[in-house]
Amino acid sequence: TQLLEQSPQFLSIQEGENLTVYCNSSSVFSSLQWYRQEPGEGPVLLVTVVTGGEVKKLKRLTFQFGDARKDSSLHITAAQPGDTGLYLCAGREGSGGSNYKLTFGKGTLLTVNP
Amino acid sequence: GAGVSQTPSNKVTEKGKYVELRCDPISGHTALYWYRQSLGQGPEFLIYFQGTGAADDSGLPNDRFFAVRPEGSVSTLKIQRTERGDSAVYLCASSLTQGFGETQYFGPGTRLLVL
Repeated sequence: TQLLEQSPQFLSIQEGENLTVYCNSSSVFSSLQWYRQEPGEGPVLLVTVVTGGEVKKLKRLTFQFGDARKDSSLHITAAQPGDTGLYLCAGREGSGGSNYKLTFGKGTLLTVNP
Repeated sequence: GAGVSQTPSNKVTEKGKYVELRCDPISGHTALYWYRQSLGQGPEFLIYFQGTGAADDSGLPNDRFFAVRPEGSVSTLKIQRTERGDSAVYLCASSLTQGFGETQYFGPGTRLLVL
């Protein structure tokens, strides 16, 4: 089973600050996803990265997949209180018929204070 | 449109009791997944259904856990002789198929507390 480590585990910042959270593994993933989960809700997919070195932007969020497809980062510019939530990375194990299974990290709990 | 729904939203039971958790996937989604999220952890895979059959139940922790999807739509996760360690949020997800890149859509979860 591939393991994903996320850091930091907790992050509390002021509105307008920038931040980066990390997702690391010793294993190679066929794809990696980032989710945001709010209290009382299930995770909601933000982005999927597939190609090593890939960078995707979603408004103020920038996602990067490492060249070796073992790590990823999420950068938020000018954070807003609405960005508050649990950010989870998840990797797909293998390829072909076994790629349905998501392996999640423990998450980064982000609090953006007004 | 309607997303994945799960009932009940909260369940409190006593140690040793039997519980059933229900998942209604998005209409037309053939693949259905159950995950368990313990406090301070990310979701952990339990079981995957393609249609009516359990294609992969390797994540079920022991034989007290069982899941069914008799008509290829609604699924029920059944836990016998509940233990305090079973307390967690049980998440259900569905996807159109199980192909590479298919997005899994999660429900809000059922919060199970075993006293």
